[in-house]
Amino acid sequence: GNSVTQMEGPVTLSEEAFLTINCTYTATGYPSLFWYVQYPGEGLQLLLKATKADDKGSNKGFEATYRKETTSFHLEKGSVQVSDSAVYFCALTNTGGFKTIFGAGTRLFVKA
Amino acid sequence: EPEVTQTPSHQVTQMGQEVILRCVPISNHLYFYWYRQILGQKVEFLVSFYNNEISEKSEIFDDQFSVERPDGSNFTLKIRSTKLEDSAMYFCASSTPRDPAKPSYEQYFGPGTRLTVT
Repeated sequence: GNSVTQMEGPVTLSEEAFLTINCTYTATGYPSLFWYVQYPGEGLQLLLKATKADDKGSNKGFEATYRKETTSFHLEKGSVQVSDSAVYFCALTNTGGFKTIFGAGTRLFVKA
Repeated sequence: EPEVTQTPSHQVTQMGQEVILRCVPISNHLYFYWYRQILGQKVEFLVSFYNNEISEKSEIFDDQFSVERPDGSNFTLKIRSTKLEDSAMYFCASSTPRDPAKPSYEQYFGPGTRLTVT
């Protein structure tokens, strides 16, 4: 079945450091891929998305590229801020589009 | 910008009681979903709903759960007899059709209802 695996956290970085959170997936067909962010005490916000191979999603300085050959969708940011501290979820929606499957989430702490 | 809303934000109930969680999806969306997140764990799919019927459900969505769209705007999740293990954050989501037969891949999530069963 479809699944998402992302690196375990927590990840602790200093402000302005480079961020990578790894995500790989298993899916039949051609899923769409997403990164969601959950700030403390809040719901899920869509951070970025990519709907086909080689697409790059980007938002607020975050980027991720849909790599079909490696079944990956790693999240990157060149310079993190304290305000980026949150839990990041990699996710996919299957070809039929009826459900989103989430990874376990990676907690990011950014220190000033 | 249109958004999905959920009420209440926090619900406390006693084991064995019925609860109804309410959601107002984005107005032109036609596909509706419920997910749950047990504290510290991953977000899990419960059910999807389209054209007044369930499209897909997970093994978590047993006979204790039901969904309904009682009017043109609300979408509800009912848990008939709550158990301690039902304590979780419940997220509603909605999406718009990508074509007449299939939903858009992008789902918009509400802020969640935290359910605490004591």
